Amino acid sequence: DVKVTQSSRYLVKRTGEKVFLECVQDMDHENMFWYRQDLGHGLRLIHYSYGVQDTNKGEVSDGYSVSRSNTEDLPLTLESAASSQTSVYFCATLRRGHNYGYTFGSGTRLTVV
Amino acid sequence: AQSVTQLDSHVSVSEGTPVLLRCNYSSSYSPSLFWYVQHPNKGLQLLLKYTSAATLVKGINGFEAEFKKSETSFHLTKPSAHMSDAAEYFCVVSDTNAGKSTFGDGTTLTVKP
Repeated sequence: DVKVTQSSRYLVKRTGEKVFLECVQDMDHENMFWYRQDLGHGLRLIHYSYGVQDTNKGEVSDGYSVSRSNTEDLPLTLESAASSQTSVYFCATLRRGHNYGYTFGSGTRLTVV
Repeated sequence: AQSVTQLDSHVSVSEGTPVLLRCNYSSSYSPSLFWYVQHPNKGLQLLLKYTSAATLVKGINGFEAEFKKSETSFHLTKPSAHMSDAAEYFCVVSDTNAGKSTFGDGTTLTVKP
């Protein structure tokens, strides 16, 4: 089975800090996604990547960035953390051309104070 | 463009009675549809998926869903609820191969003894 690792389960950061959220997968899935989960909003797409050097903005990308230098990971960067970015963040992967459902990481609960 | 509407934010049933969680979708192409379950403070787990094969899809833990194109619906059902079914359920529409997905806002299922 694919394993998607988000190493931090809980993070507390200060407003204005630069924050890095990790996501590493072990099965060379080409497609990777970052979502945030907020009460009453389900999961909303932040950024996604269909391969190395390919990144795309999702519906709530403002204040976030990603880079994809290899297949295994897609780190999410919060350029200057804001209280509005307090949320639970999920990384997910998918093998290209096989939409059998995401494999999710366990999530990172980020609190910005 | 794609969207998904979960018609009930909360559903409460008694243990042993049927479960119905309703989902309508909109998509400009032939979509893939999914149901995910999230138990408290956990990640998301795939329950079942529709990817243009049989319209009645069986998933894990006794859940099933029927794809009805004419009604643009993908309702989730289970004949007999168990206490362990209490969780948040998400209906998801996705473009078939690339996997870019739109989540519903979720339905919280409560199971009463």
